[in-house]
Amino acid sequence: NAGVTQTPKFQVLKTGQSMTLQCAQDMNHEYMSWYRQDPGMGLRLIHYSVGAGITDQGEVPNGYNVSRSTTEDFPLRLLSAAPSQTSVYFCASSWNRRNTEAFFGQGTRLTVV
Amino acid sequence: KQEVTQIPAALSVPEGENLVLNCSFTDSAIYNLQWFRQDPGKGLTSLLLIQSSQREQTSGRLNASLDKSSGRSTLYIAASQPGDSATYLCAALSSNDYKLSFGAGTTVTVRA
Repeated sequence: NAGVTQTPKFQVLKTGQSMTLQCAQDMNHEYMSWYRQDPGMGLRLIHYSVGAGITDQGEVPNGYNVSRSTTEDFPLRLLSAAPSQTSVYFCASSWNRRNTEAFFGQGTRLTVV
Repeated sequence: KQEVTQIPAALSVPEGENLVLNCSFTDSAIYNLQWFRQDPGKGLTSLLLIQSSQREQTSGRLNASLDKSSGRSTLYIAASQPGDSATYLCAALSSNDYKLSFGAGTTVTVRA
């Protein structure tokens, strides 16, 4: 059982480039979300989805885009990378939004130069 | 806006000592509180989840308590081992908007 799989594990981008961080889960979870983790701060919610075709913004959505065409996949797109987006990105999933354990991917360490 | 705080940011103890990790939150309107473990360069692994109606939850050497009215949760790790060295994060799930708010974590080092 793979759980939550994120790719790539590491990425270096130049300012202005775009890219997509991939996230897939094989647990048939309804709820998926993206977080960023910066030193000394808690994880911050970027975007989330409560099911296929439904997405919404979190705490820090600017500069990021998401879509959810299937239950399994929830990619995160950086539209035009900026140094402020240098961070570690985590994808998570759970059965639904309430009262359930969250499962996290291994993370993507992104550096924007 | 929910604010979650974990103090101290880092802790070093000798092997065998019991660990006490603190988590405080400002808004008591929560569905649950989760404790996670994060190893360097890895993702988060869920350790314990306490529902808002519960006072504590136990798993092996781990015990977590929740006091909603005072906005506090505590994770106890009995008889610590070097393998317990990691960063421990707590997260509160809001019952208003169903969003998880995370603390910045406590980094634990257990010395052999």
